[in-house]
Amino acid sequence: DTEVTQTPKHLVMGMTNKKSLKCEQHMGHRAMYWYKQKAKKPPELMFVYSYEKLSINESVPSRFSPECPNSSLLNLHLHALQPEDSALYLCASSLAGGPGELFFGEGSRLTVL
Amino acid sequence: QQQVKQSPQSLIVQKGGISIINCAYENTAFDYFPWYQQFPGKGPALLIAIRPDVSEKKEGRFTISFNKSAKQFSLHIMDSQPGDSATYFCAAKGMDSSYKLIFGSGTRLLVRP
Repeated sequence: DTEVTQTPKHLVMGMTNKKSLKCEQHMGHRAMYWYKQKAKKPPELMFVYSYEKLSINESVPSRFSPECPNSSLLNLHLHALQPEDSALYLCASSLAGGPGELFFGEGSRLTVL
Repeated sequence: QQQVKQSPQSLIVQKGGISIINCAYENTAFDYFPWYQQFPGKGPALLIAIRPDVSEKKEGRFTISFNKSAKQFSLHIMDSQPGDSATYFCAAKGMDSSYKLIFGSGTRLLVRP
């Protein structure tokens, strides 16, 4: 199984809502990532978890809150988002020790009204 | 400065032709150079990658050429097919960061039948 599964595929939320994005992988990878991708732009790294511990936070606003409950799951909790946060949110995983190959999910397309 | 410059922004090639995408970097402390392919509505997927101790790597119709002295690397797609139409991102990983990839700005390739 070489899949990274993300849910939901689409999400529309108001600026006062609280929602969560979910990501799951069963490849035994111990590094998991959240990326944000705007249209016609490259993915931008947000967070990296290594062995379920937050390893990298790219100065992301606190309205984005990551969580790694176990080695297979990664969540991104969203609260009080702004319209400019509308984007495709990509989850990825890799072997621990570096992105020798990043396996990306198909993404969750978020629209903030 | 950690940056990877990618060109062209868009590329149109006839079926059977050669597609060439170029990337350049300034930081000599990069040690891994992958290329990712992204189709609309999908997450990026690793296409091919190279390390700086190798000048060329070929996988099927896809070849990476690497020029360490010029700090440039390029992707060549031989016998381009309409199914190759996608956005291509080059990337580089710094020796000092196991998890962070620096992505180029992307090239939208269209292969005409």
